[in-house]
Amino acid sequence: QQQVKQSPQSLIVQKGGISIINCAYENTAFDYFPWYQQFPGKGPALLIAIRPDVSEKKEGRFTISFNKSAKQFSLHIMDSQPGDSATYFCAASKNTDKLIFGTGTRLQVFP
Amino acid sequence: NAGVTQTPKFQVLKTGQSMTLQCAQDMNHEYMSWYRQDPGMGLRLIHYSVGAGITDQGEVPNGYNVSRSTTEDFPLRLLSAAPSQTSVYFCASSYSISGSLTEAFFGQGTRLTVV
Repeated sequence: QQQVKQSPQSLIVQKGGISIINCAYENTAFDYFPWYQQFPGKGPALLIAIRPDVSEKKEGRFTISFNKSAKQFSLHIMDSQPGDSATYFCAASKNTDKLIFGTGTRLQVFP
Repeated sequence: NAGVTQTPKFQVLKTGQSMTLQCAQDMNHEYMSWYRQDPGMGLRLIHYSVGAGITDQGEVPNGYNVSRSTTEDFPLRLLSAAPSQTSVYFCASSYSISGSLTEAFFGQGTRLTVV
């Protein structure tokens, strides 16, 4: 049973465009929703995270939008750059329980 | 500051062989996890530990054993390797604030091939 569903599997965006990756979750007890970025040959690294008491969090060109009633959250990358080309994972956890990941989105940004 | 260190980086095993993937962290984190990454499957949790002496199964624990005798180390053991265990393995550590998880720090990964 997949607790965190991520889409799309792959995404191609032109430089300067907006990249949008979506995730849906099932467990309403989840209280931590991070996004991780992974470059080839490297381990994932935290990009940005949100908790359910806010609907949006912005850090530079990266924004998380959170919809508690729909049980969905999304990552928006504004002014996408070739250096943003990577695999992105959403994740969720409840209290101090295990962190559950989505299946990942491979983003390619072309100049 | 080393963070999370995994060894080895690459390993080739024959079917039926055993081995241990090492993971060590120097951040005094309570929580440590092992994930495997396969194409199209994302990061799937194998085993999890909330502190020394305490471990729990994740989504795909079969064929793997873990122990946590110290805060720093969390080795993953493959008792009898199978081709289905060919994957990239990641170890991660994290801590909690106010009863909720925070950032997970990942190692560089171990690429394991079972032939």
